[in-house]
Parts: sequence; structure tokens; C-alpha cells
Amino acid sequence: DAGITQSPRHKVTETGTPVTLRCHQTENHRYMYWYRQDPGHGLRLIHYSYGVKDTDKGEVSDGYSVSRSKTEDFLLTLESATSSQTSVYFCAALATGRTEAFFGQGTRLTVV
Amino acid sequence: KNEVEQSPQNLTAQEGEFITINCSYSVGISALHWLQQHPGGGIVSLFMLSSGKKKHGRLIATINIQEKHSSLHITASHPRDSAVYICAVRRGGSQGNLIFGKGTKLSVKP
Repeated sequence: DAGITQSPRHKVTETGTPVTLRCHQTENHRYMYWYRQDPGHGLRLIHYSYGVKDTDKGEVSDGYSVSRSKTEDFLLTLESATSSQTSVYFCAALATGRTEAFFGQGTRLTVV
Repeated sequence: KNEVEQSPQNLTAQEGEFITINCSYSVGISALHWLQQHPGGGIVSLFMLSSGKKKHGRLIATINIQEKHSSLHITASHPRDSAVYICAVRRGGSQGNLIFGKGTKLSVKP
């Protein structure tokens, strides 16, 4: 996992509540990503970051925001959780250039 | 149309068989990744390719940049190879986002 840690690993929350997922890396990778994985869709990009305070939207960004105030931490916030956001969330990190991709262990989020 | 297509979606094999999983893509890339995900598990990087061929144990990955195609081969398959195999391409350019195929679910029977 090259030092990629996601927290929490599991969470159950109620509709309408805000939720923050954390991705922490220890390898100083420049690029970090949040994906969600759903049956039939594979992994889809929510948001990504190409440096501290530099973030951009992915293909399924509605209802999500991110922040990256330090190289090592990339936070994903569900502003008001909905049942459609029940999913498994993966964080990934890459260095510049042609390097391996490293993934966190995933966070299983259930919105009830 | 998806930018990364994998085939087959599902694959069942007998232990010992030679397995091939295919990946085709339609965008310019700087690299292609093959990933493995066991049920309920995290995602592990198997290979990163930008040209040619790589081998690790019983796994071989090839890429043809001109044809925008890659294959993952497993020789002498084993039940512990049962997993979802995911092809992901890294876009060319400065941001380098990963785009994923939907995965191939492999089941190897003893």
C-alpha cells in the first residue's frame, strides 16, 4: 500500500449528515485521487489533487468536496449524505511521471 | 462508449489453465496499469506498462501502444488467482488521471 491509509474503514451515517473521509500518505506523492466503486460501474473519479490546495473535479463530483492543505492528507467531504452515496471509496496516490499507482484499503460507507 | 474496455467481464477457468484478459483504450496515455482486487479487499498494483512486456512470476503483461491494447496473462492458474483484475490507463498530460475499466472477475476452480 506504500503508506496510504484511509479512515475510517467503515461508516454508517444518516441521510443529511455531513461525512468526512481521510486519506493519508507518507510517500510525498504529488497526485492524489478519490474514487468510488459501485457494482456495474467500476471505479469512478470523484475529485483529484495535483498539489497542495490544487484540486479539480472528476466525473461524479456532485455532492462531494475535497481539501488538501498538506501534501500527505486528502479529505473527501460529503456535504449532506444521500443514499446514492452508499459506496466503497478508494483513495489513490501517484508520483510524477510513469510510476506505480498506490491505493488505500477502501472505506465502506453506508447512508441510511 | 467507455474509454477503457475490458474483456471478458467474467471468466471461469480450471486450475492450471492459461488465462488471458484483454484491455482496449481510446485515449492518449502515458502508462497502463493492471490491478488486482480480491473479494472485500483493497486494490493492489500488479504492473505498470508504458511499452513492451513485463513478467512477474506467473503473470505476464503486454502492451501495444499503436493498437491501444494490452493483455494480462496468467500461466498455470491457481485458485488463489481468483480476483477481479482491473485495467487502468493514466492519461497523458500534466494531470495524469487514472481511468479504469470495469474489471474482469476471474474464478479459478480446483
